Amino acid sequence: DTGVSQDPRHKITKRGQNVTFRCDPISEHNRLYWYRQTLGQGPEFLTYFQNEAQLEKSRLLSDRFSAERPKGSFSTLEIQRTEQGDSAMYLCASSPYQTGDKSYEQYFGPGTRLTVT
Amino acid sequence: AQTVTQSQPEMSVQEAETVTLSCTYDTSENNYYLFWYKQPPSRQMILVIRQEAYKQQNATENRFSVNFQKAAKSFSLKISDSQLGDTAMYFCAFLRGNAGNMLTFGGGTRLMVKP
Repeated sequence: DTGVSQDPRHKITKRGQNVTFRCDPISEHNRLYWYRQTLGQGPEFLTYFQNEAQLEKSRLLSDRFSAERPKGSFSTLEIQRTEQGDSAMYLCASSPYQTGDKSYEQYFGPGTRLTVT
Repeated sequence: AQTVTQSQPEMSVQEAETVTLSCTYDTSENNYYLFWYKQPPSRQMILVIRQEAYKQQNATENRFSVNFQKAAKSFSLKISDSQLGDTAMYFCAFLRGNAGNMLTFGGGTRLMVKP
């Protein structure tokens, strides 16, 4: 059983450029989450999908951020006109949507570390 | 809104000893879940243990156990027989009782296991 994968693992970009990250969840998981983690802090929720529907977005997700999950499988997170404050680790997690105790567990990918110079 | 507080930024323990990490939370919900996640240096977040709020019995997973005090809104993690591989950041997290909702994390505790 492969886990959650994210690509790229590291991204260095100049301020003002656009970047896109990809997340591939565990294959049978219907729910997919994006979090942002700054150095020394706990992750903060950004948005989540159930299948292809984006069901909730945090106020942290400014207009420069957009996320998609077009076919209910992988997801992309795009940041337009990057700013230095966007430098962080972007984490993706997935969970199954089914009854039972395991349905509440979220499994994380390795993250994409973004550095904006 | 929920808040999660971890009051110990850093802790250390000798190998083979026992250590307890603290977590408190604030919520008006009655149905929720609590988790401890481990994040080793430069590695991904791993789920360590889960506790359902409706269960009175404390969860255990091998060397890891929790002390869940619902009235006090306290959820501590005990690691027995500490191993060098337990060195990591540990995050306490809260989830409302709806599978679709997001995790709310504490600020983390950096644990160092010393040989």
